[in-house]
Amino acid sequence: DGGITQSPKYLFRKEGQNVTLSCEQNLNHDAMYWYRQDPGQGLRLIYYSQIVNDFQKGDIAEGYSVSREKKESFPLTVTSAQKNPTAFYLCASSYDSPSGANVLTFGAGSRLTVL
Amino acid sequence: DQQVKQNSPSLSVQEGRISILNCDYTNSMFDYFLWYKKYPAEGPTFLISISSIKDKNEDGRFTVFLNKSAKHLSLHIVPSQPGDSAVYFCAASENTDKLIFGTGTRLQVFP
Repeated sequence: DGGITQSPKYLFRKEGQNVTLSCEQNLNHDAMYWYRQDPGQGLRLIYYSQIVNDFQKGDIAEGYSVSREKKESFPLTVTSAQKNPTAFYLCASSYDSPSGANVLTFGAGSRLTVL
Repeated sequence: DQQVKQNSPSLSVQEGRISILNCDYTNSMFDYFLWYKKYPAEGPTFLISISSIKDKNEDGRFTVFLNKSAKHLSLHIVPSQPGDSAVYFCAASENTDKLIFGTGTRLQVFP
């Protein structure tokens, strides 16, 4: 079964700690993305990577870091510099559909709560 | 500045009737528009897309309409079913670049 696996599903962290969210895909997609969802704010792009060993900042990259050492994996680290880390984090990968649209396939998400 | 806007945070529709979800955008360079559906604590799932060269795309009960002059698109669901109750996100992209999402509209379909 092809898809995107995010882990852990729920994570609690103390203030000042870094935490890494895992994202693995077996869809053979080149591009991968991290979004953050907050109530009333929709999905905001944190980082994205269109190819291995390359990634770009999205709209809210401050306090986050990523790596893309393998095509299948795109982990996100939420650092202690991120002021409001409590949120629902979504990983996605994409393909170009026959219509030409860049269609994202999402994982089930990881909910991070900072205590 | 929000480039993709969904001004209605919620919508309530009776089962069997039409649901119309609206989306406005500001960037005239967007060339693809997509709709996603999201259940609580799950990732969004792709519903339907439309290219800027078209004004309508239909897939079963779902139809997306695009009005480029008004920078407006809408998703019609006919007939609405209880299983359609979810949050719907509109998204847009320019040259197959990253997707920009709206804030979402929560649809509730009641019996």
